[in-house]
Amino acid sequence: DSGVTQTPKHLITATGQRVTLRCSPRSGDLSVYWYQQSLDQGLQFLIQYYNGEERAKGNILERFSAQQFPDLHSELNLSSLELGDSALYFCASSVVARTVRNEQFFGPGTRLTVL
Amino acid sequence: AQSVAQPEDQVNVAEGNPLTVKCTYSVSGNPYLFWYVQYPNRGLQFLLKYITGDNLVKGSYGFEAEFNKSQTSFHLKKPSALVSDSALYFCAVRDDSNYGGSQGNLIFGKGTKLSVKP
Repeated sequence: DSGVTQTPKHLITATGQRVTLRCSPRSGDLSVYWYQQSLDQGLQFLIQYYNGEERAKGNILERFSAQQFPDLHSELNLSSLELGDSALYFCASSVVARTVRNEQFFGPGTRLTVL
Repeated sequence: AQSVAQPEDQVNVAEGNPLTVKCTYSVSGNPYLFWYVQYPNRGLQFLLKYITGDNLVKGSYGFEAEFNKSQTSFHLKKPSALVSDSALYFCAVRDDSNYGGSQGNLIFGKGTKLSVKP
């Protein structure tokens, strides 16, 4: 158990809908990262927050957004969902944003299925 | 741009034999390299990392990785494979590029499926 929790584990929804994925980082970790894992694209970095502020953006679509709250949990919002958004979404956390000794700890993921 | 490549989609090994999962990297500065393992329906688990120092890095579950700067490789190894090692293995490099303000997110390879047969 990495100490990172994600809810829900599974999510099934229809095209055009909006969903929210939630992540709670390990106790003491200030940085949260979101990744998307799909068969065709592999594991891709979406976005990172550090202590409530956005720090880095990767291949995140404009239909997707995220935020980190004062208690450090994070939410990833996916809107106008398309079939191609079906994937496993991982959250990871680390102590700080950028240190050489920093590794990330991953949650179990949320499997999103868009029908 | 920084990247990692895992040239093998799948590696098959007999239990008790040594295993190697290959990874090569391309970075503009000093490489910070990681190996993660993903078991079915689970998240990624950290195995080991190379930051600096000894080229042979020891990690969890008896795994180790050899950093080779001249060959830009960071192969994962284990002297004696177990059936329970069967999983998907990812090599990753920390993205230190300035583009997009990256702050230490990881760039992953495509993954290598390791299958250990009894």
